[in-house]
Order: sequence, then C-alpha cells, then structure tokens
Amino acid sequence: DGGITQSPKYLFRKEGQNVTLSCEQNLNHDAMYWYRQDPGQGLRLIYYSQIVNDFQKGDIAEGYSVSREKKESFPLTVTSAQKNPTAFYLCASSTQGSNTGELFFGEGSRLTVL
Amino acid sequence: AQSVTQLDSQVPVFEEAPVELRCNYSSSVSVYLFWYVQYPNQGLQLLLKYLSGSTLVESINGFEAEFNKSQTSFHLRKPSVHISDTAEYFCAVKGYSTLTFGKGTMLLVSP
Repeated sequence: DGGITQSPKYLFRKEGQNVTLSCEQNLNHDAMYWYRQDPGQGLRLIYYSQIVNDFQKGDIAEGYSVSREKKESFPLTVTSAQKNPTAFYLCASSTQGSNTGELFFGEGSRLTVL
Repeated sequence: AQSVTQLDSQVPVFEEAPVELRCNYSSSVSVYLFWYVQYPNQGLQLLLKYLSGSTLVESINGFEAEFNKSQTSFHLRKPSVHISDTAEYFCAVKGYSTLTFGKGTMLLVSP
C-alpha cells in the first residue's frame, strides 16, 4: 500500500545528543514536510522540500536540519542546538502539481529527551 | 498571511448529541479549507475539504462542514456523535507553501 513511513515511532535520547528521524514515502509525491506538534499548540512547520536537493525553512527551523537526496526520503535531524526537542514530529507529503495543498501524513515519531 | 483560529480547545459532549467545532480563517490566497482528525499517538487523517463548488461538504462518517465566506468560517458539525469520534480535530487553510493549521479542538464523547 502507498503511504508515508516514519521511524522510529518512539525515541529516547539524552540531552546534547543529535537524533535523526526517518521519513519515507512511496506515493511519488514531490513535496515533503516536517511539522512539530506540542500539546495545545497545533502543528508548526519546521522544514519543507518541494523538489529533490532543495528545501526551505519553515516557521521554527532553528535547531533542526534536513536533507533531500532522494525523492522518497526526507530525514530530519534534531540537533543539540534545539532548546526544547521533546515533542511529537509529523512528516507529510503532497503532490507538487496539486494547488490545493492537501497533505498526507505519516504516523509520527515521539521524541523524548531525558 | 494565512491564519486559523479554532475557538474551543476542548468540547465535551454526550454520545448521540450533536456537536459543532468552530473554525475561523484568514487568507490572502485562494481559499482551500480542510478538517483533519487525529487519534492518540497517530498522524493526521483528512476528514473533509472545501476546494470549490458547493459550500457544504461531507465526510463518509457523518461529519459535515460549511464554508461561509462572509463570516470567514468553516465550522465542523455532526448531528449525532459516537464514542469513537473522540479525537483531536484540526482545521487548516492553504497558504503559500503549505497548510496553516489551527491549534486543534479535542472532542471528548462520553456515554
């Protein structure tokens, strides 16, 4: 079945360590996105990529980095510079040709920094 | 710039009662509106969307939403809720780069 796969689903890390969250899609979508979700704050855009080898900062990019070397993959690294990394992270994708903006989401990764 | 305001952070309701989750938006581009649903520890699933045409849109599980341009609203309604409708609901509007989401409304259905 086509979809978006995020891994791991749960992740625990010590403060000061970098961690990379995986996002893979087989929907043949051009655009991919990373959102951060905190209780009561909705979804906030971290980074997005509309095409391979190109990406843009979203509203809260500080302390995060991404790469887009393949169309199917858009990994997110949470660096030690991110002051409050504990959160639920959601990856999404959409077709570049879609002007409606509809997003398809993965199941999420919950990161807890101890 | 685009923005979405969900007026209620939590809506408690009894099973089989009607419910309305409120959403107001502002947008400087074409208005495409969405409602997504999120069950605990899961991703978001599209519930329904307004792109054009009829201002009343429906989902397969009994929810409906009405686009009201003059009031810049896109409220979500269901005439009779089930326990299984307990979830968080997000309203979203298309922006320049992607969707802008509201902060979510937690729908709590009790027996």
